[in-house]
Amino acid sequence: KNEVEQSPQNLTAQEGEFITINCSYSVGISALHWLQQHPGGGIVSLFMLSSGKKKHGRLIATINIQEKHSSLHITASHPRDSAVYICAVRSNGAGSYQLTFGKGTKLSVIP
Amino acid sequence: EPEVTQTPSHQVTQMGQEVILRCVPISNHLYFYWYRQILGQKVEFLVSFYNNEISEKSEIFDDQFSVERPDGSNFTLKIRSTKLEDSAMYFCASMLPLSYGYTFGSGTRLTVV
Repeated sequence: KNEVEQSPQNLTAQEGEFITINCSYSVGISALHWLQQHPGGGIVSLFMLSSGKKKHGRLIATINIQEKHSSLHITASHPRDSAVYICAVRSNGAGSYQLTFGKGTKLSVIP
Repeated sequence: EPEVTQTPSHQVTQMGQEVILRCVPISNHLYFYWYRQILGQKVEFLVSFYNNEISEKSEIFDDQFSVERPDGSNFTLKIRSTKLEDSAMYFCASMLPLSYGYTFGSGTRLTVV
């Protein structure tokens, strides 16, 4: 069973700061997802990675398969980035592609 | 952009009652899922559904739970006799294989009283 750990659990940043959220997992995966959950509860998919790096606007996600580690970076953070960021993985051999989730990182960006 | 639609957004039910949570996945997606998130905890896998049958289920998905895709568009989760501990946010998701791209619904908050 894959264990997914995220750090930090909580993060407070000043507007404009560069933010990094980390995710590590215990067993080989075929894909890793970064998700965003707003206070209302809905989940939005930000990235799906199986290798390397992806960028979308101010968000950058990287993954190191050998180290079993991924990071989500937010450049020039803004109060609207305040949300819970969740890492979720699809383990190798998970036949129906279901995801195992981390506990999430609660980000608060203050003006 | 295509969406996964869940209804209702919030449901309150008495303990012991049956509830049905409804989802309309993205039409060309092939895998359908239910996940749940108890308040303050991480999201947990309940069940996956492919080719009109359950493909995998977790230990949480016991005999009180069932899923159906009755008409080729709706995907439902039924809880037969709700318990207090079933109170959670339930998320439906759908996925198109190969791309591994997941789309989540906005969730149904179930409160059992």
